[in-house]
Amino acid sequence: EAQVTQNPRYLITVTGKKLTVTCSQNMNHEYMSWYRQDPGLGLRQIYYSMNVEVTDKGDVPEGYKVSRKEKRNFPLILESPSPNQTSLYFCASSPVGRLGISPHLQQYFGPGTRLTVT
Amino acid sequence: AQSVTQPDIHITVSEGASLELRCNYSYGATPYLFWYVQSPGQGLQLLLKYFSGDTLVQGIKGFEAEFKRSQSSFNLRKPSVHWSDAAEYFCAVVYGGSQGNLIFGKGTKLSVKP
Repeated sequence: EAQVTQNPRYLITVTGKKLTVTCSQNMNHEYMSWYRQDPGLGLRQIYYSMNVEVTDKGDVPEGYKVSRKEKRNFPLILESPSPNQTSLYFCASSPVGRLGISPHLQQYFGPGTRLTVT
Repeated sequence: AQSVTQPDIHITVSEGASLELRCNYSYGATPYLFWYVQSPGQGLQLLLKYFSGDTLVQGIKGFEAEFKRSQSSFNLRKPSVHWSDAAEYFCAVVYGGSQGNLIFGKGTKLSVKP
């Protein structure tokens, strides 16, 4: 089954303890992205990757890191989580990553990771 | 600044009633337009999208949306709501042509009364 998977689905942690949320897709998509969803704010993009070893900042990158060493994986890293990073996080992937074609035109979302930082 | 507005934070409709969720965007040119649905505890699912052509777009689950350039709107409709439609709905827009970023509205939560 074609899908985007995220792990863990739920995580409660403490301030300052490094964590990684994994994202994997089995559709051979070039483009991958991370969003956070907060009540009343909708979804905001954190980081995105047009292809392996190519990453760029989205709208709210502060406090986050990403890496794209393989096409299928795009982990989100919080080196020193803070309570304001408590949120619902979505990973997404898209088959469209070539220049001139927006990757947003056919985006597949993962099930979400609910993170609580105390 | 480019934006997407969903004026209604929460809407309650009776099962079987019709539904219209509003979405307005601020942009001079025609953007790419999307509606996503997020069921409780689930990820985002694409309902429908508009790129060009016929301004009335059919989507999954019996939803449709109409692009109205004069009103800068892309409202989502369904003639008869089912209890399983209770979810949060997000309008999203890609501005700036094919390389634009995806901007989401803040969402409208739909509750369905039996």
